Amino acid sequence: GAGVSQSPRYKVAKRGQDVALRCDPISGHVSLFWYQQALGQGPEFLTYFQNEAQLDKSGLPSDRFFAERPEGSVSTLKIQRTQQEDSAVYLCASSLQIWDTQYFGPGTRLTVL
Amino acid sequence: AQSVTQPDIHITVSEGASLELRCNYSYGATPYLFWYVQSPGQGLQLLLKYFSGDTLVQGIKGFEAEFKRSQSSFNLRKPSVHWSDAAEYFCAVGAQGGSYIPTFGRGTSLIVHP
Repeated sequence: GAGVSQSPRYKVAKRGQDVALRCDPISGHVSLFWYQQALGQGPEFLTYFQNEAQLDKSGLPSDRFFAERPEGSVSTLKIQRTQQEDSAVYLCASSLQIWDTQYFGPGTRLTVL
Repeated sequence: AQSVTQPDIHITVSEGASLELRCNYSYGATPYLFWYVQSPGQGLQLLLKYFSGDTLVQGIKGFEAEFKRSQSSFNLRKPSVHWSDAAEYFCAVGAQGGSYIPTFGRGTSLIVHP
C-alpha cells in the first residue's frame, strides 16, 4: 500500500469495555511495531513483530494488552477491560527489517470514559 | 538501557530565523539516532537518521543534525524556518548491536511566529 493505515482513527470506550485497534502495514514490510503515545509525551514501545512472530512484548503495560499478526501482515492490538489510564494515541509502524526506517501510521486516539 | 532527553518543551522562533533543537542521549555504545516530526493529526515522519560515518547528517525539508559523541548530543538545525515547520519534534535513540527499537524523547513543540 501507499503507507501505513490504522483504524479506527478515533475510539471512545467506556471503562471496562474491550477494544481492538487495527494496523495495515506497508506491503512487504516484515517488521511491525506498536507504540503508545500519552498526551504530551513521546511514543513508548509496546511490542514488535517479525512476520507473524511476536519477538518482543516487553513494553505491554499489563496482561490486558494483547497483540497479534496471524498472517504476517495486518496486526491487531486488543485491550481488554479498558481503564482510563489506557487513554492515549496508539501508533503502528512498519519497516522492511527491524534496522530499517520505520514508517508510521496516523494513529488511533483512544479515549476511555 | 538507552534514554533521550529533550530539554526544551517549547521553542518559539520567527519565520526566517535559524533553529536548533537540542537532544542528549544516554547509551553506552554507538547509538542509532533519529529525528522525527509529527504534525497535528499526522503520524511521525522521519527527518533524518545517523547510523555511522559522517557525523553531520542531512535530512529532508532542509534539516540537518550533528552527532557529537563527546557531548552525547544530536542537535537538529535548520538555517531558516518556515511557518509550515511548526510541529512536534522527537529525537530517538536505538542501540546498535542490541535492540534496534528506538527510545523516544518527550518531544519539543516548535512554534513559528510570522
